[in-house]
Amino acid sequence: QVQLVQSGAEVKKPGASVKVSCKASGYTFTSYDINWVRQATGQGLEWMGWMNPNSGNTGYAQKFQGRVTMTRNTSISTAYMELSSLRSEDTAVYYCARVGVLLANDYWGQGTLVTVSS
Amino acid sequence: QSALTQPASVSGSPGQSITISCTGTSSDVGGYNYVSWYQQHPGKAPKLMIYDVSNRPSGVSNRFSGSKSGNTASLTISGLQAEDEADYYCSSYTSSSIWVFGGGTKLTVL
Repeated sequence: QVQLVQSGAEVKKPGASVKVSCKASGYTFTSYDINWVRQATGQGLEWMGWMNPNSGNTGYAQKFQGRVTMTRNTSISTAYMELSSLRSEDTAVYYCARVGVLLANDYWGQGTLVTVSS
Repeated sequence: QSALTQPASVSGSPGQSITISCTGTSSDVGGYNYVSWYQQHPGKAPKLMIYDVSNRPSGVSNRFSGSKSGNTASLTISGLQAEDEADYYCSSYTSSSIWVFGGGTKLTVL
């Protein structure tokens, strides 16, 4: 069965960086794009960007340009999202999701809580 | 790219039907059939309920249906059940090769 398992919760200080991992199993990792989506407490879903695990090509939401980097390690079927220059407003649950048929996010990771606090 | 517009909340009694709207532009909802809907229970990850405007993934109840007219997509839930109480989000792929979500709708089953 398809599974996306994310790394554990993180607490970071303002100005630091965080790197969240997303390990895929149950399908061919390089055959499907990965989206990253975040959700602040009590707020809606916010798309951050996508990555093609085969080519490494990426596309980022304008809001995160210059602060986000999405990478992958195909040998271990894992995608990564790194967000730098963290501020309190970046406190949120970060999700990875597989981009499946007809560009829908068909499988999601369990989410990773990133807390930014001094 | 602005978020898609959804009502903040809707409610209905068990057995009734409700519809949640999702309004975008010709650059997203109106221009593509890549509209999807997600259900999210508190503390859980979103779950895909509808893709390609009106298609249900395997395992999703046929009480959930989707449609689109112009720049507005809709999710209809018939035969409301207590377990349907959740937040619902629409999403669309866009002409800018990015995805956009709606602000979310809280469904209350009375």
